Amino acid sequence: DQQVKQNSPSLSVQEGRISILNCDYTNSMFDYFLWYKKYPAEGPTFLISISSIKDKNEDGRFTVFLNKSAKHLSLHIVPSQPGDSAVYFCAASEDNNNDMRFGAGTRLTVKP
Amino acid sequence: KAGVTQTPRYLIKTRGQQVTLSCSPISGHRSVSWYQQTPGQGLQFLFEYFSETQRNKGNFPGRFSGRQFSNSRSEMNVSTLELGDSALYLCASSQSGTGSGYTFGSGTRLTVV
Repeated sequence: DQQVKQNSPSLSVQEGRISILNCDYTNSMFDYFLWYKKYPAEGPTFLISISSIKDKNEDGRFTVFLNKSAKHLSLHIVPSQPGDSAVYFCAASEDNNNDMRFGAGTRLTVKP
Repeated sequence: KAGVTQTPRYLIKTRGQQVTLSCSPISGHRSVSWYQQTPGQGLQFLFEYFSETQRNKGNFPGRFSGRQFSNSRSEMNVSTLELGDSALYLCASSQSGTGSGYTFGSGTRLTVV
């Protein structure tokens, strides 16, 4: 039962443009959402998070938007850089606990 | 500051065998969680240990087990290996067990033949 879904396995954008990665969830009990970035041969690294009391959180070039009514969140990267090329995982949990549910990941390729 | 260390990096086992994977968390981190990553399935939560006690468990069969030692190091064991157990097994540590505080290791790539 995939409670967190990333329906786009891959995304390709041009350097300098906006990258938008999408994530949907089904469990209405989820109230904390995270994005992780993973390079090959490395473990995922935490990128940005958002609590359900907010609808937007920004950190430099990265912004996460949360639409609770649609059970949808998205990660915007502006401007995209070649170094952003990685697999991005969306994750959700209740009360930011350890039982995080991850999506299948989206492979982002930023072309120079 | 040393990161999360997982050993071995690669492992090939035969169906029916058992395997033990090791994870050394960041010094001072008391929570260790294990995840299985397979293509198309993302990361699936196996279990979490905190101060030597299993605090949470995912939906995996009993063939998957783990433990944590007094120095917070953790081991994961899979018995009676099946072909479908081939995956990247990731360990993550944190001080308290919150998602945003996780640091992942590079993983152990297990191949079952």
